[in-house]
Amino acid sequence: GQQLNQSPQSMFIQEGEDVSMNCTSSSIFNTWLWYKQDPGEGPVLLIALYKAGELTSNGRLTAQFGITRKDSFLNISASIPSDVGIYFCAGFDGSSNTGKLIFGQGTTLQVKP
Amino acid sequence: KAGVTQTPRYLIKTRGQQVTLSCSPISGHRSVSWYQQTPGQGLQFLFEYFSETQRNKGNFPGRFSGRQFSNSRSEMNVSTLELGDSALYLCASSLGTGGVGQPQHFGDGTRLSIL
Repeated sequence: GQQLNQSPQSMFIQEGEDVSMNCTSSSIFNTWLWYKQDPGEGPVLLIALYKAGELTSNGRLTAQFGITRKDSFLNISASIPSDVGIYFCAGFDGSSNTGKLIFGQGTTLQVKP
Repeated sequence: KAGVTQTPRYLIKTRGQQVTLSCSPISGHRSVSWYQQTPGQGLQFLFEYFSETQRNKGNFPGRFSGRQFSNSRSEMNVSTLELGDSALYLCASSLGTGGVGQPQHFGDGTRLSIL
């Protein structure tokens, strides 16, 4: 099925460093969502973006809805060990208007204390 | 506020059997979507139910079916299980109204293993 291109696939960083990941799509998206999934649990919604150019923060997390509506990025500042997990971007495809949530492949983040 | 509840958390079945998974959405949410998560394919959309009707459907075979009850609770059924059906099945709920783009909130999933 259709997927978003999410990069990088994995990151191994030192505690305190900043992290950046992004997602791109070949089609326009109406909404971008960022989720975090811990082992054995379901994805937890971090940030929701609804408008092109929108920049939204949630604590140390900041995400932006790209101007072209075909991309989004997530930044984590001053990483801590509990940031470890898999981060997914997801969006609703604006061209099809189906309401079906499409996911990126995920970015696995590891933080070294 | 209670989150999305999925039962059971774990299931072991054998090929050819069928299975039913249950999902209780967040109170007030009328839309329930189901996803299959595997290491190889990631998160794949199965279907969405809203007001007891299937509103969207992904590209899965007819062995995968679902339904939604008047209280918005949903069940997913998989018949004639195959080894490849081993996966984490996630349910997500949203308000379901106000147009597309409503954030979906996930349960912790049902881990289905096929022997």
